[in-house]
This record gives sequence, structure tokens and C-alpha cells, in this order.
Amino acid sequence: AAGVIQSPRHLIKEKRETATLKCYPIPRHDTVYWYQQGPGQDPQFLISFYEKMQSDKGSIPDRFSAQQFSDYHSELNMSSLELGDSALYFCASSSTTRPGLLGYEQYFGPGTRLTVT
Amino acid sequence: KNEVEQSPQNLTAQEGEFITINCSYSVGISALHWLQQHPGGGIVSLFMLSSGKKKHGRLIATINIQEKHSSLHITASHPRDSAVYICAVGDSGGGADGLTFGKGTHLIIQP
Repeated sequence: AAGVIQSPRHLIKEKRETATLKCYPIPRHDTVYWYQQGPGQDPQFLISFYEKMQSDKGSIPDRFSAQQFSDYHSELNMSSLELGDSALYFCASSSTTRPGLLGYEQYFGPGTRLTVT
Repeated sequence: KNEVEQSPQNLTAQEGEFITINCSYSVGISALHWLQQHPGGGIVSLFMLSSGKKKHGRLIATINIQEKHSSLHITASHPRDSAVYICAVGDSGGGADGLTFGKGTHLIIQP
């Protein structure tokens, strides 16, 4: 079965550079979530999108922005990178057409490991 | 904001042992997720539940909504079960809300 695809899988950037991470949800999933997991840390929710609109916002820095496109893929844009942005960035997707009573089960991508030097 | 606590933080056991990992949370939720993360990072969703009990193979997850507590059990543990197990909760608002994660339980199963 198709899974969530993230690209690139690894990215090395220097301080003050910009980075763009991409997430391709499972086919027919309409909701995308972004999470950040620092070294030795638990994942932190950044932002989510449903039907190309921002749905929920977590601890996303102002230097970061994200959007969801008409084909439901999403991009996380990160500017003025700092050393502390080095982390594993996960994308997850879910389908609101199968909400059930439990809300929406999230399926995680393999992550993009960003290293800022 | 929900507070998610997991115990134990680290667990080392022998192959074949019965494993229990606990999770508690502070406020009402839409659903609780048990996730597995292997070295190298990938996250796999094991269970999503809001009441009762679910079983998949050697894994069993239970939840008590009144007590705001869930447990993940592994029967007949095997070295390939070694991973970080993470409890995560969705807020009671439901919808496309982000999850709040516990700090994970590092499980090592020795042969």
C-alpha cells in the first residue's frame, strides 16, 4: 500500500540558509500534519492543513511557513535556519472521509533529517 | 495543553517476557495513539483507540477513559520488538488537530 512520502530524506544546510521540505500524503488523504523531533526529544506538532487551509497550529516558529497544494501535497518552508532547527521533520496524513468516532488516524512518513551547520 | 506521561522511560527485558508500558494524560482526548519508532527515526502507528481494548498479533492496547490511562502490552517479546514506543493523544476537539506526544519508552529485548 502507498505510504506517506517525504523528500528529501536528508538535508544539510548552513545557518541563515533556507530549506524546503516536501510531503506527499497517502492517495485520497486530504489532511497533512508536520512535526519536529529534535535530538533525543519527543515530536512536537508544528502545523496541519485540511483541504489546503491551515487547520491547527502548534509550536511553529515565525521563520517557518507551510502550505498545502491542490494535489494535497504540502511544503514546509524554513528560512534563516538556526543550529537549533536541526531535527527530524515528520509529515503525517489522514483522511476526513473516514473519520469514524475516533477522529482521524494519522499515518507517518519516514521523516526528513535536517542538519544545520 | 495535554500533559502526556509515560513509564517506564527505559526498559530492558529478556526475550519471551511480557512487557507493559503505561501512559497517562491530563485532559480529555479524542483518541490515543501508540506509535513505534526504530533507530533511524521512522514512526509506525500501532494502535489508535478511545475505549476498551485492541489486539494486533502480540500487541495489546487498553485504555481507561475515566482514569485517563492506557497501557501497551507485548506478549512473548522478541529482540525485533526493541524500539521506542510513544504514546500520543489527540485533543477532544478532534478534527485535524496535531498530536501531543509522550517522551517515549526505550525498550530493549535481549536474546
